[in-house]
Amino acid sequence: AQKITQTQPGMFVQEKEAVTLDCTYDTSDPSYGLFWYKQPSSGEMIFLIYQGSYDQQNATEGRYSLNFQKARKSANLVISASQLGDSAMYFCAMREGDGGFKTIFGAGTRLFVKA
Amino acid sequence: ETGVTQTPRHLVMGMTNKKSLKCEQHLGHNAMYWYKQSAKKPLELMFVYSLEERVENNSVPSRFSPECPNSSHLFLHLHTLQPEDSALYLCASSQLPGLRETQYFGPGTRLLVL
Repeated sequence: AQKITQTQPGMFVQEKEAVTLDCTYDTSDPSYGLFWYKQPSSGEMIFLIYQGSYDQQNATEGRYSLNFQKARKSANLVISASQLGDSAMYFCAMREGDGGFKTIFGAGTRLFVKA
Repeated sequence: ETGVTQTPRHLVMGMTNKKSLKCEQHLGHNAMYWYKQSAKKPLELMFVYSLEERVENNSVPSRFSPECPNSSHLFLHLHTLQPEDSALYLCASSQLPGLRETQYFGPGTRLLVL
């Protein structure tokens, strides 16, 4: 069965510093995709970054990068140069190749950026 | 214009009421989704429509009834709900369901069932 685990319910980071949000996953399908979403207090889920299981390089999108360690089944999100606007809930999600339509989300990590 | 819109943003209803949630996407996508987000629980997929055909019904109680009249609109009809149905209901769309397809979400409807 699919499973996404985010072990950090809450994280604090000083403004302008980098922070890593942890995500581990469990799947027996060799083909899968991993996503990170940000959810501000307004409620909307905002797509941040994607990593495919066969992608050779770690994904990067601006200040976001994904530390993908396939053997450890981890896909940690790294946010560099944190900004006050980064304070939000962050969700890791996975979709399996033969799942088609189902995206499984983790419980989320709430990030607080301190001025 | 915002890619995915949802109305209403907030809804309070009694257990005997009938109401509908509306979602509209302006992205030209062909797949639409309903998710439920309860407090302190992971996001749960409820329904998926691809090219206006329902392709996923994730064991959702029949008091929730989806409708997809065209690829741009998605409704969730609610009747005889329970207090435990109070949650944030999120709509999303993607080009098509698929491994790499990114889902774009609306702002959600916060539902309170009294």
